[in-house]
Amino acid sequence: AQRVTQPEKLLSVFKGAPVELKCNYSYSGSPELFWYVQYSRQRLQLLLRHISRESIKGFTADLNKGETSFHLKKPFAQEEDSAMYYCAPWGQNFVFGPGTRLSVLP
Amino acid sequence: KAGVTQTPRYLIKTRGQQVTLSCSPISGHRSVSWYQQTPGQGLQFLFEYFSETQRNKGNFPGRFSGRQFSNSRSEMNVSTLELGDSALYLCASSLGDSTLHGKAFFGQGTRLTVV
Repeated sequence: AQRVTQPEKLLSVFKGAPVELKCNYSYSGSPELFWYVQYSRQRLQLLLRHISRESIKGFTADLNKGETSFHLKKPFAQEEDSAMYYCAPWGQNFVFGPGTRLSVLP
Repeated sequence: KAGVTQTPRYLIKTRGQQVTLSCSPISGHRSVSWYQQTPGQGLQFLFEYFSETQRNKGNFPGRFSGRQFSNSRSEMNVSTLELGDSALYLCASSLGDSTLHGKAFFGQGTRLTVV
């Protein structure tokens, strides 16, 4: 069965520090890979999808097929990046990761 | 342009009843998908519709069903409600033929409480 893990439930970093949100998945094929974000009191929204190389707000995601990981990175975190982040590697099943709450401290 | 609109925003139902939730996609969007969000299970995909046809389905029991109308509006129905069905139900729409493979825009959700 397809599984997605985001090992950190909560990640706190200081403003200006690099941030990496981890996502590991198990899937035998080549899933499409997405990151979704939900800011406080806002709607869930697509942050980026690997296939299009799109990104918003300076985030990028590296696909490591060998490790089956799709970690989300930003070199300099901002306070407005504080949000809930969901990894979604979609193959035969459309499964979201459990989410990581990022807290960027001033 | 109006965003994805879900009605009602809040709903309280009794165990055993059924419920219908509505989703109006962004004008021009033809693909609609539904998700369940709970503290315990997180975000889970329910189903997706395009041009009134169900294209993909998540791993939910048959009590959960949906449909899409010719104007792309979608409804989801849950029959014989259980306490565990209490959740935030999200709807998303997309301009392309799939919200799952393209840029999806989400509604604010319907908060269903089963008592």
